[in-house]
Amino acid sequence: NAGVTQTPKFQVLKTGQSMTLQCAQDMNHNSMYWYRQDPGMGLRLIYYSASEGTTDKGEVPNGYNVSRLNKREFSLRLESAAPSQTSVYFCASTPSYNEQFFGPGTRLTVL
Amino acid sequence: EDQVTQSPEALRLQEGESSSLNCSYTVSGLRGLFWYRQDPGKGPEFLFTLYSAGEEKEKERLKATLTKKESFLHITAPKPEDSATYLCAVQVAGQGNLIFGKGTKLSVKP
Repeated sequence: NAGVTQTPKFQVLKTGQSMTLQCAQDMNHNSMYWYRQDPGMGLRLIYYSASEGTTDKGEVPNGYNVSRLNKREFSLRLESAAPSQTSVYFCASTPSYNEQFFGPGTRLTVL
Repeated sequence: EDQVTQSPEALRLQEGESSSLNCSYTVSGLRGLFWYRQDPGKGPEFLFTLYSAGEEKEKERLKATLTKKESFLHITAPKPEDSATYLCAVQVAGQGNLIFGKGTKLSVKP
């Protein structure tokens, strides 16, 4: 089992560019989450998908969109990147209302 | 407002010097409290889940405890490899999301 995988590991964008962060899990989990982690701010929830076919906003959804492509995959899209979106992005999954398992993260810099 | 506060922000210990990390929380209804370990450049790694006041869980040199207002992560005789950031998170009753604290960065010197 690879667990939760994320691509890419690192990315540098210019302001206004778009990109999609990919996340996949092979644990047959129902729920998936996207967080961002900034120094001094802790982990903050961007969007989540409680089950295949559903998505909901978290604490900081502005500037992001998500797609739950199937049970395994949950992508995060930045349509027009801004320097304030420079952060480390983590994807997580859980079978239900239990502990969440995290991926290795994507380190994004927006210039 | 649901809130999680961890203290101290940073803790430096000598190898073998036992101590505790604190996680205090204010939530409308607690379903569970979670402890994670995060190494630099890595994703958080799950350690424990606690569900009710009085519950305790242990793993090697770590022991987590829970009261109605806070949780403690006790580290007994720590080793340098225990150096990491320890994150606490709460799950509110009826919700699947986790609310994280900002973490405690632990450094253990040989």
